[in-house]
Amino acid sequence: AQSVAQPEDQVNVAEGNPLTVKCTYSVSGNPYLFWYVQYPNRGLQFLLKYITGDNLVKGSYGFEAEFNKSQTSFHLKKPSALVSDSALYFCAVREPNQAGTALIFGKGTTLSVSS
Amino acid sequence: SQTIHQWPATLVQPVGSPLSLECTVEGTSNPNLYWYRQAAGRGLQLLFYSVGIGQISSEVPQNLSASRPQDRQFILSSKKLLLSDSGFYLCACDEEGGYTFGSGTRLTVV
Repeated sequence: AQSVAQPEDQVNVAEGNPLTVKCTYSVSGNPYLFWYVQYPNRGLQFLLKYITGDNLVKGSYGFEAEFNKSQTSFHLKKPSALVSDSALYFCAVREPNQAGTALIFGKGTTLSVSS
Repeated sequence: SQTIHQWPATLVQPVGSPLSLECTVEGTSNPNLYWYRQAAGRGLQLLFYSVGIGQISSEVPQNLSASRPQDRQFILSSKKLLLSDSGFYLCACDEEGGYTFGSGTRLTVV
């Protein structure tokens, strides 16, 4: 069965410093991987995805993630954090070629960027 | 791209009252649709998904139900709400391998 783990409940970083939000996954075959961001009392917004191709994926708002098959990881990164990046971040996985199956989400990581 | 409309945005209901939350989709036809619940601002629990009119799959046994009366309409219902039904309910639609989400409904059962 597919699963996603976000090992950190919270990540704290100072504005201007690089940030990393960790995600590992378990799925048979080559996965579809996603990052979403949620601001308070809002729906989730898409940041980026890995389907196939380059392992380094660039997304919205300067975020990027690297697909590492050997470590089954898909960590979210940004070179220089902004206070406005503070939000709840979700990693998600989907089995390949299964458009009718649901995304499985991690429990979320709260990112707090201090000025 | 698709747009998902959810209403109401917030709802306060007494225990034992009925519930109806509506989700409609624009910009696509025959979408796969999903209902998730988010408790305490954290993880997302899949409740129901639908691949077509009248086709509902339930992931979690509970006092909620879902219906899909039209291609782009997905309704979440309950006959009698429990305190534990409180949470943030999100509707989602397949798009390019991932999802587009609605803005959510905050349900508080009192």
